[in-house]
Amino acid sequence: AQKITQTQPGMFVQEKEAVTLDCTYDTSDPSYGLFWYKQPSSGEMIFLIYQGSYDQQNATEGRYSLNFQKARKSANLVISASQLGDSAMYFCAMREVGWGYGNKLVFGAGTILRVKS
Amino acid sequence: DGGITQSPKYLFRKEGQNVTLSCEQNLNHDAMYWYRQDPGQGLRLIYYSQIVNDFQKGDIAEGYSVSREKKESFPLTVTSAQKNPTAFYLCASRTAGDSGNTIYFGEGSWLTVV
Repeated sequence: AQKITQTQPGMFVQEKEAVTLDCTYDTSDPSYGLFWYKQPSSGEMIFLIYQGSYDQQNATEGRYSLNFQKARKSANLVISASQLGDSAMYFCAMREVGWGYGNKLVFGAGTILRVKS
Repeated sequence: DGGITQSPKYLFRKEGQNVTLSCEQNLNHDAMYWYRQDPGQGLRLIYYSQIVNDFQKGDIAEGYSVSREKKESFPLTVTSAQKNPTAFYLCASRTAGDSGNTIYFGEGSWLTVV
């Protein structure tokens, strides 16, 4: 079964505007972690932000924030004040903890973001 | 500097040959992972290992094999049984447990079957 779903294959955003990249997840484990990564055309994976399932507040890192809605099992990434350098592929990932052989780390299919000048 | 080193960066394989991709980390991380990425696609988990001498199959383990004889090393062998091995392969590592919220990635290896 699909664990991480990113429903937006591609997104466009105007420079300096905010954009939301969607991510929904599926797990029966009460303890898990959610990540967002950026992958530019060079192929490297750049860590953006992390949210633990027990964290009370939404995570923020500079221009990145994670809109965590636990009951809806969603962990959307919000990028404020988009820059041309934000153009890349973005991946949502989940780490499950505590089942059998824990710490399995799975990724969604990704969303390509293009920032227009 | 601490990090993950993958080699080779580019590799060409003839059909029917086995090839091994190297992944070495000097971060003292317990957990290591191998992912496959096809062009324009997401990362799919091949194998992962939480401790030395133990590893688990991921979602697409068929045609691949791994070993974890040392904490710092997690090589991936792409066997001839893998029918479509041309892809970008990424190795990752993290500290095991709830505190291991930072995942480090190598720079990846491009494998092409010729």
